[in-house]
Amino acid sequence: GAGVSQSPSNKVTEKGKDVELRCDPISGHTALYWYRQSLGQGLEFLIYFQGNSAPDKSGLPSDRFSAERTGGSVSTLTIQRTQQEDSAVYLCASSLAFEQFFGPGTRLTVL
Amino acid sequence: GIQVEQSPPDLILQEGANSTLRCNFSDSVNNLQWFHQNPWGQLINLFYIPSGTKQNGRLSATTVATERYSLLYISSSQTTDSGVYFCAVASIQGGSEKLVFGKGTKLTVNP
Repeated sequence: GAGVSQSPSNKVTEKGKDVELRCDPISGHTALYWYRQSLGQGLEFLIYFQGNSAPDKSGLPSDRFSAERTGGSVSTLTIQRTQQEDSAVYLCASSLAFEQFFGPGTRLTVL
Repeated sequence: GIQVEQSPPDLILQEGANSTLRCNFSDSVNNLQWFHQNPWGQLINLFYIPSGTKQNGRLSATTVATERYSLLYISSSQTTDSGVYFCAVASIQGGSEKLVFGKGTKLTVNP
C-alpha cells in the first residue's frame, strides 16, 4: 500500500517568508508526527497528533512553528518568518500502534 | 528526558564482513526502532523491537530491556548496506509516543 507522502520534496525560500509543508499519512493511521533533521541537531521531534486528543507541541522550537491536522488525516506544518537556522529536512511519520513509518521528507533551504 | 547513545559512530567494512551496532538508552521504553537512512535520506524501517530478538534475512536485532540496550547485527555485509543506522526510542515516562533518536552509526561497506 501507499506509504507516507510529503510535499514539496524541496523548498527554497527567502528569509522572512512563510512556508507550508504537507504530510499525507498512511491511510488508517491515527497518529502523526513531525520531526526535523539538521546537521547540528540530528533528528529531533517537533509535534505529535493522536486522534482527537490535544497535540503534543513540546518539540516546537519557537512560536513561529505551528501545525494542524485536518479531519484526522492530512497535516500541514507552517513556519512563519523563516530564518536561516530553519534550514533542515522536515520528516513526517505516522503510526497505528507504536511502530512509526516515515515519509521521504521536505528539504527546506532558507536563503 | 531519555538519552540514546549509539556506537560506534563510524564503521568501515569490507564486503562480506559481519558487524554489530549498539544502542544504549537511559530509561524504560515502550518503543525501540532501528532505521537505515539511505543515501537519498529516506528512513527505512528495519525493526520494531522494544524487547526480544528478531531476524530478517541478513539482519537481526536483540533488545535487552532490563539492561537498557539493543544490538543490531549485520551479517555478510553488502555495499548496499552502506548508510547511517539510527536507533530511536520512546520512553514509557515520556507521556507520548515521540521518538528520541541516537546520533547514528555511519556504515561504509567497501567492495
